[in-house]
Amino acid sequence: GDSVTQMEGPVTLSEEAFLTINCTYTATGYPSLFWYVQYPGEGLQLLLKATKADDKGSNKGFEATYRKETTSFHLEKGSVQVSDSAVYFCALSDSSSYKLIFGSGTRLLVRP
Amino acid sequence: EAGVTQSPTHLIKTRGQQATLRCSPISGHTSVYWYQQALGLGLQFLLWYDEGEERNRGNFPPRFSGRQFPNYSSELNVNALELEDSALYLCASSLEASGHQETQYFGPGTRLLVL
Repeated sequence: GDSVTQMEGPVTLSEEAFLTINCTYTATGYPSLFWYVQYPGEGLQLLLKATKADDKGSNKGFEATYRKETTSFHLEKGSVQVSDSAVYFCALSDSSSYKLIFGSGTRLLVRP
Repeated sequence: EAGVTQSPTHLIKTRGQQATLRCSPISGHTSVYWYQQALGLGLQFLLWYDEGEERNRGNFPPRFSGRQFPNYSSELNVNALELEDSALYLCASSLEASGHQETQYFGPGTRLLVL
Protein backbone atom coordinates (compact mmCIF):
# COMPACT_ATOMS: atom_id res chain seq x y z
CA GLY A 1 0.00 0.00 0.00
CA ASP A 2 0.92 3.66 -0.14
CA SER A 3 3.36 4.94 2.47
CA VAL A 4 5.46 7.93 3.51
CA THR A 5 8.89 7.78 5.16
CA GLN A 6 10.40 10.73 6.99
CA MET A 7 13.79 11.20 8.55
CA GLU A 8 13.94 10.47 12.25
CA GLY A 9 14.07 13.38 14.63
CA PRO A 10 14.61 15.34 16.62
CA VAL A 11 16.49 17.78 14.45
CA THR A 12 18.26 20.47 16.48
CA LEU A 13 19.54 23.58 14.72
CA SER A 14 20.81 27.01 15.64
CA GLU A 15 18.85 30.04 14.50
CA GLU A 16 19.57 31.03 10.88
CA ALA A 17 20.82 27.54 9.99
CA PHE A 18 19.71 25.74 6.82
CA LEU A 19 17.00 23.12 7.23
CA THR A 20 16.35 19.94 5.26
CA ILE A 21 13.82 17.32 6.33
CA ASN A 22 13.81 14.31 4.03
CA CYS A 23 10.57 12.70 2.86
CA THR A 24 10.13 9.83 0.42
CA TYR A 25 6.95 8.10 -0.62
CA THR A 26 5.62 4.92 -2.17
CA ALA A 27 2.39 5.19 -4.12
CA THR A 28 0.49 3.72 -7.01
CA GLY A 29 -0.88 6.35 -9.29
CA TYR A 30 -0.14 10.05 -8.92
CA PRO A 31 -0.64 11.31 -5.39
CA SER A 32 -0.67 14.90 -4.19
CA LEU A 33 2.00 15.70 -1.61
CA PHE A 34 1.75 17.90 1.47
CA TRP A 35 3.76 19.23 4.38
CA TYR A 36 1.85 19.99 7.56
CA VAL A 37 3.20 21.54 10.76
CA GLN A 38 1.99 20.93 14.31
CA TYR A 39 2.85 23.37 17.08
CA PRO A 40 2.67 22.15 20.70
CA GLY A 41 -0.89 21.51 21.84
CA GLU A 42 -2.40 22.37 18.47
CA GLY A 43 -3.83 20.68 15.40
CA LEU A 44 -2.17 20.49 12.00
CA GLN A 45 -1.59 23.50 9.77
CA LEU A 46 -0.95 23.17 6.05
CA LEU A 47 2.52 24.44 5.25
CA LEU A 48 2.69 23.74 1.51
CA LYS A 49 1.56 21.31 -1.16
CA ALA A 50 2.34 20.08 -4.67
CA THR A 51 -0.07 18.20 -6.90
CA LYS A 52 2.06 17.00 -9.81
CA ALA A 53 5.61 16.11 -10.70
CA ASP A 54 8.13 18.98 -10.70
CA ASP A 55 5.70 21.30 -8.88
CA LYS A 56 7.34 23.37 -6.16
CA GLY A 57 5.30 24.29 -3.11
CA SER A 58 6.41 27.23 -1.00
CA ASN A 59 5.22 29.18 2.02
CA LYS A 60 6.81 31.27 4.79
CA GLY A 61 10.31 30.59 3.42
CA PHE A 62 9.78 26.83 3.28
CA GLU A 63 10.00 24.99 -0.05
CA ALA A 64 9.57 21.45 -1.35
CA THR A 65 9.68 20.04 -4.89
CA TYR A 66 7.69 17.01 -6.05
CA ARG A 67 10.33 14.67 -7.53
CA LYS A 68 8.69 11.72 -9.25
CA GLU A 69 11.97 10.16 -10.37
CA THR A 70 13.24 9.91 -6.79
CA THR A 71 9.76 9.70 -5.17
CA SER A 72 10.76 12.47 -2.81
CA PHE A 73 9.34 15.71 -1.38
CA HIS A 74 12.08 17.10 0.87
CA LEU A 75 11.33 20.19 2.95
CA GLU A 76 13.90 23.02 2.97
CA LYS A 77 14.28 26.43 4.53
CA GLY A 78 17.28 28.69 4.11
CA SER A 79 17.29 30.28 7.56
CA VAL A 80 15.27 28.85 10.44
CA GLN A 81 13.89 30.84 13.37
CA VAL A 82 13.13 29.83 16.94
CA SER A 83 9.44 30.14 16.05
CA ASP A 84 9.83 27.31 13.49
CA SER A 85 10.23 24.81 16.35
CA ALA A 86 7.42 22.29 15.82
CA VAL A 87 6.70 18.83 14.45
CA TYR A 88 6.61 18.56 10.66
CA PHE A 89 4.57 15.89 8.86
CA CYS A 90 4.94 14.85 5.26
CA ALA A 91 1.78 13.36 3.74
CA LEU A 92 0.35 12.08 0.51
CA SER A 93 -3.22 12.11 -0.65
CA ASP A 94 -4.22 8.77 -2.06
CA SER A 95 -5.64 9.25 -5.54
CA SER A 96 -8.43 6.73 -5.08
CA SER A 97 -9.53 7.08 -1.47
CA TYR A 98 -8.56 10.75 -0.86
CA LYS A 99 -7.34 9.95 2.64
CA LEU A 100 -4.07 11.45 3.83
CA ILE A 101 -1.25 9.03 4.61
CA PHE A 102 1.26 10.60 6.97
CA GLY A 103 4.89 10.08 7.76
CA SER A 104 5.85 9.62 11.40
CA GLY A 105 6.70 13.30 11.85
CA THR A 106 10.00 15.07 12.48
CA ARG A 107 10.45 17.25 15.53
CA LEU A 108 12.48 20.41 14.87
CA LEU A 109 14.06 22.37 17.70
CA VAL A 110 15.68 25.69 16.86
CA ARG A 111 17.95 27.20 19.51
CA PRO A 112 18.60 30.95 19.76
CA GLU B 1 -13.48 33.09 7.88
CA ALA B 2 -13.82 30.56 10.69
CA GLY B 3 -11.71 27.43 10.49
CA VAL B 4 -12.61 23.90 11.42
CA THR B 5 -13.94 23.75 14.97
CA GLN B 6 -14.08 20.75 17.28
CA SER B 7 -15.71 20.11 20.62
CA PRO B 8 -15.01 19.35 23.33
CA THR B 9 -11.32 20.23 23.55
CA HIS B 10 -10.77 17.60 26.23
CA LEU B 11 -12.79 14.55 27.22
CA ILE B 12 -12.20 12.14 30.08
CA LYS B 13 -14.03 8.80 30.10
CA THR B 14 -13.68 5.44 31.76
CA ARG B 15 -13.30 2.07 30.10
CA GLY B 16 -16.52 0.75 28.57
CA GLN B 17 -18.16 4.16 28.25
CA GLN B 18 -19.07 5.90 25.01
CA ALA B 19 -17.52 9.11 23.68
CA THR B 20 -19.01 11.57 21.21
CA LEU B 21 -16.81 14.07 19.44
CA ARG B 22 -18.09 16.86 17.23
CA CYS B 23 -16.71 18.75 14.26
CA SER B 24 -17.89 21.75 12.23
CA PRO B 25 -16.21 22.15 8.85
CA ILE B 26 -15.18 25.35 7.14
CA SER B 27 -18.17 27.02 5.51
CA GLY B 28 -18.63 25.65 1.99
CA HIS B 29 -16.72 22.44 2.65
CA THR B 30 -18.72 19.26 2.20
CA SER B 31 -16.12 16.61 3.03
CA VAL B 32 -15.14 15.77 6.61
CA TYR B 33 -12.32 13.45 7.62
CA TRP B 34 -11.42 12.02 11.03
CA TYR B 35 -7.91 11.02 12.09
CA GLN B 36 -6.49 9.54 15.28
CA GLN B 37 -3.14 10.69 16.64
CA ALA B 38 -2.14 8.23 19.32
CA LEU B 39 1.20 8.32 21.11
CA GLY B 40 3.69 6.17 19.27
CA LEU B 41 1.28 5.35 16.43
CA GLY B 42 1.34 8.55 14.46
CA LEU B 43 -1.59 9.92 12.48
CA GLN B 44 -4.03 7.35 11.19
CA PHE B 45 -7.06 7.84 8.97
CA LEU B 46 -10.36 6.88 10.61
CA LEU B 47 -13.35 7.96 8.50
CA TRP B 48 -14.35 10.11 5.55
CA TYR B 49 -17.81 11.61 5.03
CA ASP B 50 -19.02 13.49 2.00
CA GLU B 51 -22.53 14.77 1.32
CA GLY B 52 -23.84 12.84 4.30
CA GLU B 53 -22.44 9.48 3.22
CA GLU B 54 -19.56 7.46 4.62
CA ARG B 55 -17.11 7.18 1.71
CA ASN B 56 -14.21 5.34 3.30
CA ARG B 57 -13.02 4.06 6.64
CA GLY B 58 -9.61 3.14 7.96
CA ASN B 59 -8.49 0.01 9.70
CA PHE B 60 -10.45 0.54 12.92
CA PRO B 61 -13.03 -1.70 14.62
CA PRO B 62 -16.76 -1.08 14.12
CA ARG B 63 -17.09 0.52 17.55
CA PHE B 64 -15.66 3.61 15.84
CA SER B 65 -18.52 5.13 13.90
CA GLY B 66 -19.89 8.48 12.94
CA ARG B 67 -22.22 10.47 10.81
CA GLN B 68 -22.49 13.67 8.86
CA PHE B 69 -25.45 15.97 9.23
CA PRO B 70 -27.25 17.98 6.52
CA ASN B 71 -25.26 21.07 7.51
CA TYR B 72 -22.06 19.02 6.90
CA SER B 73 -21.03 18.96 10.54
CA SER B 74 -20.00 15.56 11.82
CA GLU B 75 -19.92 13.37 14.90
CA LEU B 76 -17.47 10.65 15.77
CA ASN B 77 -18.72 8.04 18.23
CA VAL B 78 -16.48 5.60 20.02
CA ASN B 79 -18.30 2.82 21.87
CA ALA B 80 -16.98 0.48 24.54
CA LEU B 81 -13.94 2.64 25.16
CA GLU B 82 -10.60 0.96 25.72
CA LEU B 83 -7.47 2.42 27.29
CA GLU B 84 -5.71 2.46 23.92
CA ASP B 85 -8.36 4.79 22.51
CA SER B 86 -6.67 7.60 24.42
CA ALA B 87 -5.46 9.95 21.69
CA LEU B 88 -5.89 13.28 19.97
CA TYR B 89 -8.74 13.05 17.47
CA LEU B 90 -8.40 15.45 14.57
CA CYS B 91 -11.12 16.48 12.18
CA ALA B 92 -10.38 17.95 8.77
CA SER B 93 -12.56 19.38 6.03
CA SER B 94 -12.14 20.03 2.34
CA LEU B 95 -14.11 21.25 -0.61
CA GLU B 96 -16.20 18.68 -2.46
CA ALA B 97 -14.32 15.48 -3.05
CA SER B 98 -13.65 16.21 -6.69
CA GLY B 99 -10.09 15.07 -6.45
CA HIS B 100 -7.26 14.09 -4.19
CA GLN B 101 -5.61 17.44 -4.85
CA GLU B 102 -7.96 19.20 -2.46
CA THR B 103 -6.31 20.43 0.72
CA GLN B 104 -7.63 19.10 4.01
CA TYR B 105 -7.81 21.79 6.70
CA PHE B 106 -7.55 20.58 10.27
CA GLY B 107 -9.23 21.59 13.49
CA PRO B 108 -7.46 21.86 16.87
CA GLY B 109 -8.51 18.37 17.91
CA THR B 110 -10.24 16.70 20.83
CA ARG B 111 -7.97 15.06 23.36
CA LEU B 112 -9.65 11.91 24.69
CA LEU B 113 -8.34 10.27 27.84
CA VAL B 114 -9.69 6.86 28.82
CA LEU B 115 -9.11 5.84 32.42
